[in-house]
Amino acid sequence: EVQLSESGGGLVQPGGSLRLSCTASGFAFSSSAMTWVRRAPGKGLESVSVISADATTTQYTDSVKGHFTISRDNSKNTIYLQMNSLRPEDTATYYCGKLSPEFAVDYCGQGTLVTVSS
Amino acid sequence: QSVLTQPPSVSGAPGQKVTISCTGTSSNIGAGYEVHWYQQLPGTAPKLLIYSNNNRPSGIPDRFSGSNSGTSTSLAITGLQADDEAEYYCQSYDTRLSDYVFGTGTRVTVL
Repeated sequence: EVQLSESGGGLVQPGGSLRLSCTASGFAFSSSAMTWVRRAPGKGLESVSVISADATTTQYTDSVKGHFTISRDNSKNTIYLQMNSLRPEDTATYYCGKLSPEFAVDYCGQGTLVTVSS
Repeated sequence: QSVLTQPPSVSGAPGQKVTISCTGTSSNIGAGYEVHWYQQLPGTAPKLLIYSNNNRPSGIPDRFSGSNSGTSTSLAITGLQADDEAEYYCQSYDTRLSDYVFGTGTRVTVL
């Protein structure tokens, strides 16, 4: 059974940092591209970042370029999202996702809430 | 503002069919990039319903189907049920943005 478990969310002041983690099990993690998707209150889903299976390729949506960094540790079946210079508009539930070969998010974790507020 | 436009809401009675459109441009759907569809029930994670335009993952009933034509695509739900009340999102790749974009989302209400 595929399982994805996010952690690291919480309340942070504007300008602060957080690192989200997502630990995976039940599939060939080191062969799978992974993604972070978020949903802000009252808004729709937004793709945040994608990382290839071997971590050689990463992609970011424009609004987070330069202040979010995605990474992975295949020895720990874990991906990370380092979020710096956080802004109120980064407030959202962040979901970790496994990408299928067709680049569909075929499995999601339960999400972790990030609140950026003073 | 997403480059993939969906109607904000659709509704139907139990047992009826509803269709949700997803309109893109020549830099995403029109360029031949595949479309995926997701269902998000309140307070839960997104769930993949359709991948690569018209394929269902295992466990997804055949009441859900996808089709596309040109720069637009559609999700059809037949035999509408109360537990189909959710938000639905299309997703594709946009070559101009170099980004995996979601549609604006559609809330389905079962009357």
